[in-house]
Amino acid sequence: DGGITQSPKYLFRKEGQNVTLSCEQNLNHDAMYWYRQDPGQGLRLIYYSQIVNDFQKGDIAEGYSVSREKKESFPLTVTSAQKNPTAFYLCASSVDSALNYGYTFGSGTRLTVV
Amino acid sequence: QQQVKQSPQSLIVQKGGISIINCAYENTAFDYFPWYQQFPGKGPALLIAIRPDVSEKKEGRFTISFNKSAKQFSLHIMDSQPGDSATYFCAAGANSWGKLQFGAGTQVVVTP
Repeated sequence: DGGITQSPKYLFRKEGQNVTLSCEQNLNHDAMYWYRQDPGQGLRLIYYSQIVNDFQKGDIAEGYSVSREKKESFPLTVTSAQKNPTAFYLCASSVDSALNYGYTFGSGTRLTVV
Repeated sequence: QQQVKQSPQSLIVQKGGISIINCAYENTAFDYFPWYQQFPGKGPALLIAIRPDVSEKKEGRFTISFNKSAKQFSLHIMDSQPGDSATYFCAAGANSWGKLQFGAGTQVVVTP
């Protein structure tokens, strides 16, 4: 079955640690996205990539970094510079940047700072 | 600032009733308006979407109404069922942007 796989499902981070969230898709989609979800705030865009080896900052990129070395993979690193990282992180992909078919989302990673 | 404003934050509807969720946007460049449904602990799933060249789109019990002049669009869930209990997000995007802006979400509870 084609889809998006996010791992791990749950992640715990200590203060000052960097952690990396995995996102893999086998849909052959060109574009990939990372959103952060907090209660009552909807989904806010962190980073997006419309093509391999290229990505752009979203609305809340500070404290995060990404890479897009392969079409299938778009990992997100939450750095120690992100002061409030506890949230539900969602990865999505789309056929292309033209939004003709919307997004397909993964099942998310819940990150908690301990 | 939020480019897509969604209301209400939550609503409770009886089984068989109609759920209505409203969204408003500012950017006239937006030309794609999807609605997503999310169950607890899961990622959102595309429910229905509309382009500004039509005023209404219906898929089963779900209908989008679109008012281009008012820059508003809404989701109507007819004959609401307990299985419709979820959080619903509206979104807006532009082909030239390649990304979506989401509303804050509406938690819908359908009582038996």
